[in-house]
Amino acid sequence: AIQMTQSPSSLSASIGDRVTISCRASQGIRNDLGWYQQKPGKAPKLLIYAASSLQGGVPSRFSGRGSGTDFTLTISSLQPEDFATYYCLQDFNYPLTFGGGTKVEIK
Amino acid sequence: QVQLQESGPRLVKPSETLSLTCAVSGGSISSYYWNWIRQPPGKGLEWIGYIYYSGSTNYNPSLKSRVTISVDTSNNQFSLKLRSVTAADTAVYYCARGIFGVVSLFDYWGQGTLVTVSS
Repeated sequence: AIQMTQSPSSLSASIGDRVTISCRASQGIRNDLGWYQQKPGKAPKLLIYAASSLQGGVPSRFSGRGSGTDFTLTISSLQPEDFATYYCLQDFNYPLTFGGGTKVEIK
Repeated sequence: QVQLQESGPRLVKPSETLSLTCAVSGGSISSYYWNWIRQPPGKGLEWIGYIYYSGSTNYNPSLKSRVTISVDTSNNQFSLKLRSVTAADTAVYYCARGIFGVVSLFDYWGQGTLVTVSS
């Protein structure tokens, strides 16, 4: 199975900060990667698919980049509602595998 | 608006079978992939497997020997059975709609249900 490694596992940031989360695949996955946001007690929510395509209704402050093995999720200006845990998910092959998550906390 | 709702026993004894159903409303179960994903308390997400509306399945090899996912198109629902459970199977279980093709994603999720394995 493809291993997905996220970094950092957690970070503290302030409102208005630019935040970048990384995800690395153990082998090349083209651009077959999505990003999901999960708030406590809630189901994950799709933010980005195909590495850089914004899901409908998701604010434009979220963006994704990358191809092959290295990917990033960037929040251009952190808002109060963005404090959550973020997961990457590779859909290049089966089994589908998630990264370990990055928890974004308030500084 | 598509909605998914998990249902089933919240407490299962070790060695028994965990059974959950996901009811789909606001849309047809046809033409999509229907997934189960779980999350142990305080931990990350694990994809369990999917069933296509036609009945074809794909399971995570880590669980394949114990998992069966089935679909009931007439009632717009699909189900998960996980046999011979242990405490390690305690988790929040989510159902999710998958689109797998040129682009792949999970666009609708159930709220999740916590299943505890304990005697």
